[in-house]
Amino acid sequence: AQKITQTQPGMFVQEKEAVTLDCTYDTSDQSYGLFWYKQPSSGEMIFLIYQGSYDEQNATEGRYSLNFQKARKSANLVISASQLGDSAMYFCAMRANDYKLSFGAGTTVTVRA
Amino acid sequence: SQTIHQWPATLVQPVGSPLSLECTVEGTSNPNLYWYRQAAGRGLQLLFYSVGIGQISSEVPQNLSASRPQDRQFILSSKKLLLSDSGFYLCAWSAETEAFFGQGTRLTVV
Repeated sequence: AQKITQTQPGMFVQEKEAVTLDCTYDTSDQSYGLFWYKQPSSGEMIFLIYQGSYDEQNATEGRYSLNFQKARKSANLVISASQLGDSAMYFCAMRANDYKLSFGAGTTVTVRA
Repeated sequence: SQTIHQWPATLVQPVGSPLSLECTVEGTSNPNLYWYRQAAGRGLQLLFYSVGIGQISSEVPQNLSASRPQDRQFILSSKKLLLSDSGFYLCAWSAETEAFFGQGTRLTVV
């Protein structure tokens, strides 16, 4: 069974600085997908970025980039130039071969002015 | 473009009453569909997922059930709600490189 681990319950970051959110996963599947989501206090789940297990390049979407290290089974999210609006809970997720989409426990990010 | 509709946004139900939450997707065919529950300040617990009509995988059976009567419709049900069923329920769909969520339903069982 797959397992997604986010070891940082909460993080503080200064505005305009970069922050890295850790995510490790465990699966025996060769083909899988990794996702990151942002959940502000409103509760909506906002899709940020996707990385496929066979993608050789790290995914990037604007200020978001995914540091994918397949051998280490890690998929860390990097948010560059943090903004106050980035304060939210962030979730890492993995979709396995059977299409099951499982989530980590999340990391709360607080951006300080 | 694809959209996902989930309703109602909030719901207050008495203990022992039935539940039916509906989720529909537009703009895509044969999506993978999911139901999650989230307690306040916690992560997402996968309840059910479906890869096709009539195909339901259950992660947390308890007193909840799910059905997929049409390709783009996913329904979460309960015959008798418990206090512990309170929470934030989220429906999601996924395709190859993306997965999107509905707005969620905040259910309070009283």
